[in-house]
Amino acid sequence: EIVLTQSPGTLSLSPGERATLSCGASQSISSSYLAWYQQKPGQAPRLLIYGASSRATGIPDRFSGSGSGTDFTLTISRLEPEDFAVYYCQQYGSPPRTFGQGTNLEIK
Amino acid sequence: EVELVESGGGLVQPGGSLRLSCAASGFTFSSYPMHWVRQAPGKGLEYVSAISSNGGSTYHANSVKGRFTISRDNSKNTLYLQMGSLRVEDMAVYYCARGMGLPGALDYWGQGTLVAVSS
Repeated sequence: EIVLTQSPGTLSLSPGERATLSCGASQSISSSYLAWYQQKPGQAPRLLIYGASSRATGIPDRFSGSGSGTDFTLTISRLEPEDFAVYYCQQYGSPPRTFGQGTNLEIK
Repeated sequence: EVELVESGGGLVQPGGSLRLSCAASGFTFSSYPMHWVRQAPGKGLEYVSAISSNGGSTYHANSVKGRFTISRDNSKNTLYLQMGSLRVEDMAVYYCARGMGLPGALDYWGQGTLVAVSS
């Protein structure tokens, strides 16, 4: 089973700042089958990034994904108030399709 | 517009059974793999089960293998999760989600249905 470790656990930033979230895998993820999701309280997760770097439909271009192998990054270039949420990475190349434990992006 | 609506959650005693449903609309249901993901109260996401577009291939996480069964009825555009021998640790919000492919990320999610397991 591929274990995903997200860092930091909590990130405190202000609107307008740049956010960098990391996701590390215990073994290489094939074909960059890595996704990022955003979840707000009381809501279902929303797909942001798939294939490590492709934005999902309707996702603003301030969200970008990068990385390969075992190290992946989600970057939010300029934080908007609605971006404060919990973010999860998920690998879907090898069963079981594991999720990271999440990064809580909170307003400073 | 893609829509996924879960139902069937509720309170059940340990050892009991429950069947969750997920009604799909706004897309060709029979063309997409489908998934169940759960989230225990205050916790992160846990992948539960998957089924191919024609139902011929399924996957269950070790934590539910032998107790849960995923299925689908493409004529009714509905996904199911039959849950048996329920444990306290199965208590969670259960989400159905559409897969972009096999393998594929989960591009649309339902609002979730709460399963509570308690005596």
